[in-house]
Amino acid sequence: QKEVEQDPGPLSVPEGAIVSLNCTYSNSAFQYFMWYRQYSRKGPELLMYTYSSGNKEDGRFTAQVDKSSKYISLFIRDSQPSDSATYLCAMSQNQAGTALIFGKGTTLSVSS
Amino acid sequence: DVKVTQSSRYLVKRTGEKVFLECVQDMDHENMFWYRQDPGLGLRLIYFSYDVKMKEKGDIPEGYSVSREKKERFSLILESASTNQTSMYLCASSFSDRVETQYFGPGTRLLVL
Repeated sequence: QKEVEQDPGPLSVPEGAIVSLNCTYSNSAFQYFMWYRQYSRKGPELLMYTYSSGNKEDGRFTAQVDKSSKYISLFIRDSQPSDSATYLCAMSQNQAGTALIFGKGTTLSVSS
Repeated sequence: DVKVTQSSRYLVKRTGEKVFLECVQDMDHENMFWYRQDPGLGLRLIYFSYDVKMKEKGDIPEGYSVSREKKERFSLILESASTNQTSMYLCASSFSDRVETQYFGPGTRLLVL
């Protein structure tokens, strides 16, 4: 079983839809959970991160972590064509010294 | 603004050539990383460095080596390029106590013929 599983999609939605992106993981030691966004022909950039369990909201984006189920989600409300990108989840056991474990990424397309 | 730059956006090399990919960051980050990204396989860590002259193997170090002589610069070396090393190579950097925030360069798309 891979450490981090993420459905690659592609996911196609109309503008204004609510999008749900998900990852599951197997290592219960993960404490830091990140979502990176990668536009075509660009490097990934950090979108949101959460420590331990709970929700975090930033504008139209909400990140959720359920450690009991080893499941994380990213919700995008009122999706826009500019949200079309690949979304990668990433996880880490601690804040210092260790590399991130990335999911394979989900490609999202929002049509106007 | 944090900047991570990579020496080339596109590179075409022949099988057996020695290839150098350079990465420079301007934020005084302790950590630097090299990944390759392939369709269906995602981002895979090749090597990372947490200090000058220090390096750690990632998930797929075979066929690669790295060099970090200065804090701002991290080089990836393909000693003898092979066609299965055709890929997108991404460099990233972060502070040692903020590993969740990695800053990525634009990537180098390498084609080995």
